[in-house]
Order: sequence, then structure tokens, then C-alpha cells
Amino acid sequence: QKEVEQNSGPLSVPEGAIASLNCTYSDRGSQSFFWYRQYSGKSPELIMSIYSNGDKEDGRFTAQLNKASQYVSLLIRDSQPSDSATYLCAVKGGTGRRALTFGSGTRLQVQP
Amino acid sequence: GAGVSQSPSNKVTEKGKDVELRCDPISGHTALYWYRQSLGQGLEFLIYFQGNSAPDKSGLPSDRFSAERTGGSVSTLTIQRTQQEDSAVYLCASSLGSGLLMDEKLFFGSGTQLSVL
Repeated sequence: QKEVEQNSGPLSVPEGAIASLNCTYSDRGSQSFFWYRQYSGKSPELIMSIYSNGDKEDGRFTAQLNKASQYVSLLIRDSQPSDSATYLCAVKGGTGRRALTFGSGTRLQVQP
Repeated sequence: GAGVSQSPSNKVTEKGKDVELRCDPISGHTALYWYRQSLGQGLEFLIYFQGNSAPDKSGLPSDRFSAERTGGSVSTLTIQRTQQEDSAVYLCASSLGSGLLMDEKLFFGSGTQLSVL
């Protein structure tokens, strides 16, 4: 089992729709959770961080965390073609490795 | 500097040669990380520095890979006797490293594209 799992996609949504991206993780002691966006040929850039159960909203983005179920999700409202990218889920484990562990990413395509 | 700086941006080398990749983190960031990303793949952790020490080297794939950090700032990743499977984008990231959860956010450089022929 991978430490951080994501559906590779592509996830295709029409412009203006809500895109829902999901991630599960294996380390129950994980404390910090991040969503990064990576455009093709570019480096990952941080979109959202979340540390406690529930929802965290920032503009069109909402991160959701459920530690009991070990999943974290990212909702993108009013999706735009410019949101088309690969979205990487990253988790800071509770024990052991100090660095973030990344999922393999979900490719999102927003159709104009 | 304003962001994480990596050099060179591209490196083409012949199989068997040694290469050095450089990372200059954001000023004041004590934590520095090296990841690599193969084409179409996720990020693979290589090594983590806190200051000049490397408490986690568990991701280095073989003893051909080594890294150092000096002055709590610049880091160099060295790959000896490069192989074709080493071809990837090598990404450096830094964070404040204070230990506070909110300071765990990583900021990435633009990466070094390594191609081993």
C-alpha cells in the first residue's frame, strides 16, 4: 500500500463546475496535509494546507480533512481552464520521516 | 533570495560521469529537501537537511548519491557514475523548519532537468 494514494485521472470537468480531488493516506499519526498544484513542466506550488478535521476555505478552494477515515480532499469551485494541472496531495507523517510524502497526483482537465 | 534557486536548470551528461546539482534555499529557511520526479511520476523523497545535518537520508537510491549543506544555506546533490535511470527532474525545496505545523510548508525551486545519455 502506498503511503499517499491519489487517483491519477485525468479528471475532466466542464468550466464552472466543481472539481473534487481525493487523497487517502496510511499513517494514522499524520498531522499536516497539503495540496500542491503542478502545471506541466513547472514546479509544484502550494495551494492549501490543513491541520485539523473539517473544512478550510480559501477563495475557490476548499480543503477537507477526515483523520478518522484518513482522507483529505480538495474542492475547486467555479473551475476555470487555468485550473487544468496536476494536483499533488502531500502528508507529513506522525513518526519517522520528517519530509512530506507526496501522492502521485491527479491530473485535472477543465473543459472550456 | 526571494525564492529557492537551483542550478543548472538543465544538465546533459554521459553515462558514467559525475554531476553536481546546486540549491540555494529561501533566506532564513533551516530545512532543505531534495526530491526527484521522473516523467509523469510523483515526487520521490531523497534527503532532508535541518541546518547542516541530514537526519533523514532514507530516500537516496544508492551510494552513488550524496548531498551536503554548508553554512545552513546552499546544498549540493552529487551523483557519481551517472546511469540512464538517474534521468529525472531534481527538485529542491525549503521550509522554515521551526517544528511548528504551520511552518512545514515546502517552497520549491524550478528544478534541474538531468538527462543521462
